[in-house]
Amino acid sequence: GAVVSQHPSWVICKSGTSVKIECRSLDFQATTMFWYRQFPKQSLMLMATSNEGSKATYEQGVEKDKFLINHASLTLSTLTVTSAHPEDSSFYICSAQSGMGASYEQYFGPGTRLTVT
Amino acid sequence: AQSVAQPEDQVNVAEGNPLTVKCTYSVSGNPYLFWYVQYPNRGLQFLLKYITGDNLVKGSYGFEAEFNKSQTSFHLKKPSALVSDSALYFCAVRDMKAAGNKLTFGGGTRVLVKP
Repeated sequence: GAVVSQHPSWVICKSGTSVKIECRSLDFQATTMFWYRQFPKQSLMLMATSNEGSKATYEQGVEKDKFLINHASLTLSTLTVTSAHPEDSSFYICSAQSGMGASYEQYFGPGTRLTVT
Repeated sequence: AQSVAQPEDQVNVAEGNPLTVKCTYSVSGNPYLFWYVQYPNRGLQFLLKYITGDNLVKGSYGFEAEFNKSQTSFHLKKPSALVSDSALYFCAVRDMKAAGNKLTFGGGTRVLVKP
């Protein structure tokens, strides 16, 4: 099956610093990638949708200047949390799909746990 | 807007008994429905989907789901649960009008299978 990787799997950073999370589709080209945030024992909250080579579409309430998304190639998207604060601590999950349409599945990465101290 | 609801936060079942995880949907247009499972500190794994065709959809790990248009439901089922099925289960609906045809997830149902 299709594989999506995330790096790092966990990261601890100090308040005020920036953190970059990578999402890669290993065996397929991802026309679209999604970034989610998940709080403990809660559902996934979509943060943004990105297409290769174009600006990401952010969900309402998500600060695009704080959560920078770059989809530089068909196999790589990055999420940068700028000037991180403790409230940004969360589990971040990316997903990727190879096309647009009803039947295309999203393949999920294993997630990145961010802790801001 | 498209939405799904999972009315149960948690389902407890004894190993070997049937497992059902409930999901109802609200969509404008045709429903495109998905089930995913999440193990602790992991991403989501795809189980099955309903796009069109037979109302009974068979998926991974012995799971199946029944699409019921009149009841707007898409319940996940497994005839005989295993302890290893203990996990968090998400129902999702695809929004064909949104960027990337994004998925909207339900709140999740935690399944606990006891030996």
